[in-house]
Amino acid sequence: GENVEQHPSTLSVQEGDSAVIKCTYSDSASNYFPWYKQELGKRPQLIIDIRSNVGEKKDQRIAVTLNKTAKHFSLHITETQPEDSAVYFCAASFYNQGGKLIFGQGTELSVKP
Amino acid sequence: DTGVSQDPRHKITKRGQNVTFRCDPISEHNRLYWYRQTLGQGPEFLTYFQNEAQLEKSRLLSDRFSAERPKGSFSTLEIQRTEQGDSAMYLCASSRPRTGGVTDTQYFGPGTRLTVL
Repeated sequence: GENVEQHPSTLSVQEGDSAVIKCTYSDSASNYFPWYKQELGKRPQLIIDIRSNVGEKKDQRIAVTLNKTAKHFSLHITETQPEDSAVYFCAASFYNQGGKLIFGQGTELSVKP
Repeated sequence: DTGVSQDPRHKITKRGQNVTFRCDPISEHNRLYWYRQTLGQGPEFLTYFQNEAQLEKSRLLSDRFSAERPKGSFSTLEIQRTEQGDSAMYLCASSRPRTGGVTDTQYFGPGTRLTVL
């Protein structure tokens, strides 16, 4: 079945450094890859997404890259700030499967001042 | 508030009791999804609706779970004869369908945290 693997499970960086989180997916038909940020006790919030017809997308300090051949995608956060501390989830989806999201296991990012 | 809402936010129940949760999606979003999230894990897909039709149920969803969306607006998720293993956060999300094989963004509700004693 569909599977998404996410690494690392925890990541600690100094404020101002960059953070990279990587995901791989199993279903080559997947065509939509969102990233969600979830703070403790809060709902998942979409921070960026990418579709399979695009290799890279950037939004201010956040970027996502997609390698369809290798079936992996990555989240890059530059100039990290303490408020970036949260759990980040990647997900994969395929329209013909109703758009259901298959999530990775999550990465707990800690940004130290 | 135009976001996805869920009720109740917290539910404590005893093993064997039935519970029902409600989700109100964003207006005009005709796709509605239910996910379950346990501590330290990503959300797991349970089921989804397009309008009032339930189009897919996860193999994870036992017969004790049932979901409805009778008028294509709000949805309910019922768990019968709750077990301690049902303790989790139950998340609802909604989205618009898009044509051309494109998946639209799913917006999540705040979740219902279920504790089964």
